[in-house]
Amino acid sequence: RKEVEQDPGPFNVPEGATVAFNCTYSNSASQSFFWYRQDCRKEPKLLMSVYSSGNEDGRFTAQLNRASQYISLLIRDSKLSDSATYLCVVATGNQFYFGTGTSLTVIP
Amino acid sequence: DVKVTQSSRYLVKRTGEKVFLECVQDMDHENMFWYRQDPGLGLRLIYFSYDVKMKEKGDIPEGYSVSREKKERFSLILESASTNQTSMYLCASGTGVYEQYFGPGTRLTVT
Repeated sequence: RKEVEQDPGPFNVPEGATVAFNCTYSNSASQSFFWYRQDCRKEPKLLMSVYSSGNEDGRFTAQLNRASQYISLLIRDSKLSDSATYLCVVATGNQFYFGTGTSLTVIP
Repeated sequence: DVKVTQSSRYLVKRTGEKVFLECVQDMDHENMFWYRQDPGLGLRLIYFSYDVKMKEKGDIPEGYSVSREKKERFSLILESASTNQTSMYLCASGTGVYEQYFGPGTRLTVT
């Protein structure tokens, strides 16, 4: 069983739409959770950390459900510039486990 | 701003060559990592290091070795490059379970 699983998509949504990504993880002892964004042929960059209480950064909301072992990312009012691959990342000890990424294309 | 740099953005090598990929970080991070990224497979951990002169195997260490002689520098070595090692190689650094910061990547082609 993979440590982290996420739907690869692709998600094609119109500008202004709301889109949500989910990710599940297998190790209940996992300690930290993140969403990274990766543009085509670039390195992954931290989008936001995910806390148990949920957190919001502008149009982006991340949530963690420890009981069900999943994390989510909600993007409201999608912009063309949101088109990218979104990676779910789970840290256990000093090891980081990456999902394969969910591809998002925002269409004009 | 955290900065992680990698020695080359693009590299073309022949089968059997010894290849060195260098990574340097300027944030005094204890942990450094080497990943490779391939379409459909995501990021896979090759090796990581918690401290100078320490190294741990990741998920796919075969065909690779690493060196960490100084805290800021982590090198990945392909002892004898093969075509199945053609990939994007990403270095990252971080502290504990806090976020990792990535270098720009090295796209290696082995012919």
